[in-house]
Amino acid sequence: GAGVSQSPRYKVAKRGQDVALRCDPISGHVSLFWYQQALGQGPEFLTYFQNEAQLDKSGLPSDRFFAERPEGSVSTLKIQRTQQEDSAVYLCASRAALMLRGQRLFFGEGSRLTVL
Amino acid sequence: DAKTTQPNSMESNEEEPVHLPCNHSTISGTDYIHWYRQLPSQGPEYVIHGLTSNVNNRMASLAIAEDRKSSTLILHRATLRDAAVYYCILRGMNSGNTPLVFGKGTRLSVIA
Repeated sequence: GAGVSQSPRYKVAKRGQDVALRCDPISGHVSLFWYQQALGQGPEFLTYFQNEAQLDKSGLPSDRFFAERPEGSVSTLKIQRTQQEDSAVYLCASRAALMLRGQRLFFGEGSRLTVL
Repeated sequence: DAKTTQPNSMESNEEEPVHLPCNHSTISGTDYIHWYRQLPSQGPEYVIHGLTSNVNNRMASLAIAEDRKSSTLILHRATLRDAAVYYCILRGMNSGNTPLVFGKGTRLSVIA
């Protein structure tokens, strides 16, 4: 079956450009998470959605980062005026309703952003 | 969620068992022990989780110490495809929708 799909897999941006990263979660999954992973580090939490509601955005590093999930399915992470320190792999994960199938997260392959 | 400590790296020969340790001395009684792994250029994937009793699935076994202050992920026969970063994560039973918190994990190298 289809897993979590992310696009683009690779993105090169010039400093100052805006980028948008897309996540298609597993169909029917209620919860959606975004993580940022710098080279050699573990993933770090950015933000969380339950359906269309953004319930936690405490991990977003600055107001240049914005995420949305307007219809409770596909999500977009937008980074405005990119800077070199934004270079990282951005991971999306989804999970079925909390009381079903435990708390297992399903991750996409990630979008690797390089800011020049 | 309580903190875990793992070795930075480990090495194993192909087709031999691998024991990946994790210390979690501040674990609470309602914390589950989760393991995820991340293959090169992939997102993390779930491996196994447990609370008190040892657990087995098709990927691995999880051995939990009697005092629950440590656990060991066991790969019974390492293959080259098991080379990955392995993350040990504690998660409270009542964590709700709080996110998984990843550390740096253990980088496992498998030698042919």
